[in-house]
Amino acid sequence: DVKVTQSSRYLVKRTGEKVFLECVQDMDHENMFWYRQDPGLGLRLIYFSYDVKMKEKGDIPEGYSVSREKKERFSLILESASTNQTSMYLCASSQLLGGPPNEKLFFGSGTQLSVL
Amino acid sequence: AQSVTQPDIHITVSEGASLELRCNYSYGATPYLFWYVQSPGQGLQLLLKYFSGDTLVQGIKGFEAEFKRSQSSFNLRKPSVHWSDAAEYFCAVNNAGNMLTFGGGTRLMVKP
Repeated sequence: DVKVTQSSRYLVKRTGEKVFLECVQDMDHENMFWYRQDPGLGLRLIYFSYDVKMKEKGDIPEGYSVSREKKERFSLILESASTNQTSMYLCASSQLLGGPPNEKLFFGSGTQLSVL
Repeated sequence: AQSVTQPDIHITVSEGASLELRCNYSYGATPYLFWYVQSPGQGLQLLLKYFSGDTLVQGIKGFEAEFKRSQSSFNLRKPSVHWSDAAEYFCAVNNAGNMLTFGGGTRLMVKP
């Protein structure tokens, strides 16, 4: 089974801190994604990457950046954390885009980030 | 732009009762539709998907969903709910760029 591992289950940070959320997948997937999950809003795409060193903005990239130096690892960075970034963050991976629709995302268990 | 609406934020059903979770989508072309489930403390797991063909699709854990183009709906059903089905359920649509857009989710609670 594909495993997507997020380094922290819970994280508490202070306003203005730089925050790194790490995600690692073990199935050699090309695509990796960062979503944030908020009650009533479902999952919203922050950034995704379809290859090493490649990144694309999702629906809500403001206040975030990403890094993908290795295929298996995709990091989400909050340059200066703010209270409105308190949320559950979910990482996901999948196979190549194109061809049949990208139907199956494999998700990590999530990181609940609280910014105080 | 595509969108997905799940009108029910919370639903409570008794164990053994039938279940229907509603999903409406807005998308200009033929949609690719999905249902995911998130159990407490877990990531999301794919329940089922619709791409084409038979509009009634079967998924894992005894779930099914029916695509109705005329109603722009893709409702999830289960004939008899088990306590272990308590979770949050997300409907999603695939866009032309193969990115998923998710609905707001429906939290299912199961009464004994």
